[in-house]
Amino acid sequence: GAVVSQHPSRVICKSGTSVKIECRSLDFQATTMFWYRQFPKQSLMLMATSNEGSKATYEQGVEKDKFLINHASLTLSTLTVTSAHPEDSSFYICSAMDNSYEQYFGPGTRLTVT
Amino acid sequence: EDQVTQSPEALRLQEGESSSLNCSYTVSGLRGLFWYRQDPGKGPEFLFTLYSAGEEKEKERLKATLTKKESFLHITAPKPEDSATYLCAVQARGGSNYKLTFGKGTLLTVNP
Repeated sequence: GAVVSQHPSRVICKSGTSVKIECRSLDFQATTMFWYRQFPKQSLMLMATSNEGSKATYEQGVEKDKFLINHASLTLSTLTVTSAHPEDSSFYICSAMDNSYEQYFGPGTRLTVT
Repeated sequence: EDQVTQSPEALRLQEGESSSLNCSYTVSGLRGLFWYRQDPGKGPEFLFTLYSAGEEKEKERLKATLTKKESFLHITAPKPEDSATYLCAVQARGGSNYKLTFGKGTLLTVNP
């Protein structure tokens, strides 16, 4: 089956610093990837849609200057949380869409901002 | 606005006790309805996609069904390893936007 990886799986950073999270589709090409965040005991909330070679589309209420998304290749999208604050602490999950429009999710990245 | 409501929020079963999880949805034209399984601290694992009313899909002890307003995930003779949160999501038809709208999930606990 389709495999999506994320790196790192856990990261702790200090308030005010930036953190980059990578999302890779390992065995298929994905022109579209998605970034979600999930708070404890809550469902996944879509943050943005990442399209290879073009600008990401952000959901309402998501700051595009704070959450920078780059989709530089058909197998890699990155999310950079800039000037992180404790309220940005969350579980960040990416998904990659195959050519059947099905989404496969990565294992998630636990971000803790101290 | 697309909406997905899952019930119950939590379900406890004894091993071997079959049951069903419900996913009610409203969407402006359904492209697909998706079921995922999520274990604590992990990303969702794809289970099924259903595209049209009347469609059914099975995988081991799980069977998913779809009507025009809701989907059911039937669990037959569950085992403790089936314990997880089950997420339902819809994808609307039209345009090039393939985003998923998720429900809050059903936390299933199967006791031995």
